[in-house]
Amino acid sequence: ETGVTQSPTHLIKTRGQQVTLRCSSQSGHNTVSWYQQALGQGPQFIFQYYREEENGRGNFPPRFSGLQFPNYSSELNVNALELDDSALYLCASSLEGLAQREQYFGPGTRLTVT
Amino acid sequence: AQSVTQLDSHVSVSEGTPVLLRCNYSSSYSPSLFWYVQHPNKGLQLLLKYTSAATLVKGINGFEAEFKKSETSFHLTKPSAHMSDAAEYFCVVSDRPGGYQKVTFGTGTKLQVIP
Repeated sequence: ETGVTQSPTHLIKTRGQQVTLRCSSQSGHNTVSWYQQALGQGPQFIFQYYREEENGRGNFPPRFSGLQFPNYSSELNVNALELDDSALYLCASSLEGLAQREQYFGPGTRLTVT
Repeated sequence: AQSVTQLDSHVSVSEGTPVLLRCNYSSSYSPSLFWYVQHPNKGLQLLLKYTSAATLVKGINGFEAEFKKSETSFHLTKPSAHMSDAAEYFCVVSDRPGGYQKVTFGTGTKLQVIP
């Protein structure tokens, strides 16, 4: 069973640029959620994808967008990067997006915006 | 409304002594509750979960938690701390309001284990 993987591991971007982060979900999982974890804080929910559609979103602006592909892998896109976007971005996969289902987390992508 | 409050940002214990990490939650639904652990530079790992079955939940590495609905609490305990338990711990509430799994993390409790 393959776990959740994310790429790249680290990324440095300049303010105003755009970035794409990638996530491969655990085998058999059809739901992917993305989180932003600022230094010293808990992860904040960005959005969730279920069977290729966004079906839930946290308090993040529209410049945060995503995609889920038929193989259930996912991308997080952030446009017009701001300094405050510097954080660890976590991807988590689960089965059917049910409340009682635990989420399996990837190691994260560390984004630094300068 | 859904929220999680971890009552201590830092907890320090001596090796071999009990661990108590406190968590209170709020949910408009019948939530599921989780504890995750995050070691430095590592991903989040599930310790245990409560999903409306037994109120006392046992997890990995000797951890357990008790769901108390009347107190809206889900405190994490371990009888005897080990050096390898030093990490950050997150309490998480999960429910399903408008058709998706809504998850809220607490702000985390950093556990220090003193030799």
